[in-house]
This record gives sequence, C-alpha cells and structure tokens, in this order.
Amino acid sequence: EAGVVQSPRYKIIEKKQPVAFWCNPISGHNTLYWYLQNLGQGPELLIRYENEEAVDDSQLPKDRFSAERLKGVDSTLKIQPAELGDSAVYLCASSPRGKNGELFFGEGSRLTVL
Amino acid sequence: GENVEQHPSTLSVQEGDSAVIKCTYSDSASNYFPWYKQELGKRPQLIIDIRSNVGEKKDQRIAVTLNKTAKHFSLHITETQPEDSAVYFCASNAGNMLTFGGGTRLMVKP
Repeated sequence: EAGVVQSPRYKIIEKKQPVAFWCNPISGHNTLYWYLQNLGQGPELLIRYENEEAVDDSQLPKDRFSAERLKGVDSTLKIQPAELGDSAVYLCASSPRGKNGELFFGEGSRLTVL
Repeated sequence: GENVEQHPSTLSVQEGDSAVIKCTYSDSASNYFPWYKQELGKRPQLIIDIRSNVGEKKDQRIAVTLNKTAKHFSLHITETQPEDSAVYFCASNAGNMLTFGGGTRLMVKP
C-alpha cells in the first residue's frame, strides 16, 4: 500500500514569492491534515479536512495561507506571499475513517525562504 | 485547547540501558495517546499507542503507560540500541485532532 505522498520534497524561494505544496493521502483515508513543523519542535496543526470539508482551520494564517481539497482526495497548501518565518517542514497526514487520531505522515515538504 | 508537555527535551543513555520519556496533557476528554519516532529528515512514524481504556501496553522493547487520573503517560524503551537514537514525540487526541509534545531527542551511545 502506498503511503502519503507529498511534493515537492524541498523548495527554496525568495520572500514575497508564492509557493504551493501537494499531498496525496493513503487511498480511502477520508481525513487529511496539514501540519507545520519547525526545527526541533513538534508538529502543529494548520488545517484538518473531513473529505472535502475543512473542519478545523483555526491555526491557519488566513491572510497568506490557503488550502483546498477538491473531490476529497488530493490537497494543496499555498502560501502567498511567503515570509522568512515560513521556513519549516510542511507535513501532510491522513487518517482512516473511524480511527480517531491514527495519523500516517508523508515525508514532508521542506521550505526555505531567503 | 489541548496542551501537551513532554520531558526531557534531550536524553542520553548508554547502549543497553533503559530510557523513559514522560508527557502530561490537559484535556480530560483525550482518549488516544500515540508515540511517534522521527529520524533526521524523515517522517514521524507511529511506534506505539494506547487508548484510555487501558493502563499499559507493551510491544517488544517498548511500552507505554497511562494514568488518566493524573493526566500523564510515559514511553519506556528497554535495552536501548544505537538505532533507537531519534526524536520521539508524544501526542494526545481530543476531538479527532492530535496535539503533539515538543519532542525528546534520544541519543544512545554505543
């Protein structure tokens, strides 16, 4: 079974530029999460989807961050414009129905903003 | 919202010794407590978990204990090996959302 797939793995951009990350969850997993992980810290939730509906986006900085999960499968996370402080690893995770909290993570997308 | 505290932030042990990592949580409604291992540059991977209806769970060299009254849970690794070196994260689940601790960097010296 394929795991959670994310791309790109690494991205270097200059500040004020836009960037987008893509996530393909494990087949059949209806819950999808985007987490932010700063160096040396635990993951912090940005947004959670149940199918195509964003059910928890209270930690998403909506002035510059946006996310979508069309058709309830793949998801994209966008930052526009990026700031220096956005440098981090963006982790996508998915969870099967009825398995509250059992998350399977992707390898992450490491963003460096110069 | 939920708050998870994890200690220690770093832990160095000699190969063969035991390692213990402790976490506390704040939301009494939390009912699922997983532990993740993250190697450098890799994804967090689930190594063991426990639900609120049990007090202890063991899987070979690793075990987790849960005290719901005190709202704390611990990870125990026995007979540590160099490949156990990594960052370990505890987490708790309330309302279908995992909140993570700050992580513990475990170093096992050969």
